[in-house]
Amino acid sequence: EAGVTQFPSHSVIEKGQTVTLRCDPISGHDNLYWYRRVMGKEIKFLLHFVKESKQDESGMPNNRFLAERTGGTYSTLKVQPAELEDSGVYFCASRGQEHGYTFGSGTRLTVV
Amino acid sequence: DQQVKQNSPSLSVQEGRISILNCDYTNSMFDYFLWYKKYPAEGPTFLISISSIKDKNEDGRFTVFLNKSAKHLSLHIVPSQPGDSAVYFCAASATGGYQKVTFGTGTKLQVIP
Repeated sequence: EAGVTQFPSHSVIEKGQTVTLRCDPISGHDNLYWYRRVMGKEIKFLLHFVKESKQDESGMPNNRFLAERTGGTYSTLKVQPAELEDSGVYFCASRGQEHGYTFGSGTRLTVV
Repeated sequence: DQQVKQNSPSLSVQEGRISILNCDYTNSMFDYFLWYKKYPAEGPTFLISISSIKDKNEDGRFTVFLNKSAKHLSLHIVPSQPGDSAVYFCAASATGGYQKVTFGTGTKLQVIP
């Protein structure tokens, strides 16, 4: 079974630019989550999709962040325009019917 | 407001000894607790979990203990092995683990050969 795939693995962009992160969940997993870890702090929840619907987006920092999951398969997280404080590691996770998540390896975003 | 706290950022243990990682939480609504292990440049990997109806769950060398009255849980690794060296995250959920999970800041465990 293929795991959760995220790309790019690293992205360095200038402040004000746009970046789009992509996550391919495990096939058949309806639940998809985005999390972010900033500067060695806790891993913070951003949002949760069930299929193509946003179940919970209470963790999204502001309207510069836009997440989509067209067709209930892969998901994208766009940051536009990026700010310095957006730097961190963005993790995607998916879950089927069981309790635990399966995380991807993350995208390390650096805004300079 | 940190709802899940791991107050020890790092821990060093000799190989073969017991590693004890601690976690405290403040939200009384949490009913499901998980531990994740993370190696550098990888995503967190689910390790073990416990429901609030239990006070102990064991899986091989890993045991999680839950003290609901103290809002405290701990992960015991016995015996510790060098391959256990990683960052361990405590996490909690208020929905049986089926919705969003709140993570702690992690404890970096180093097992010394």
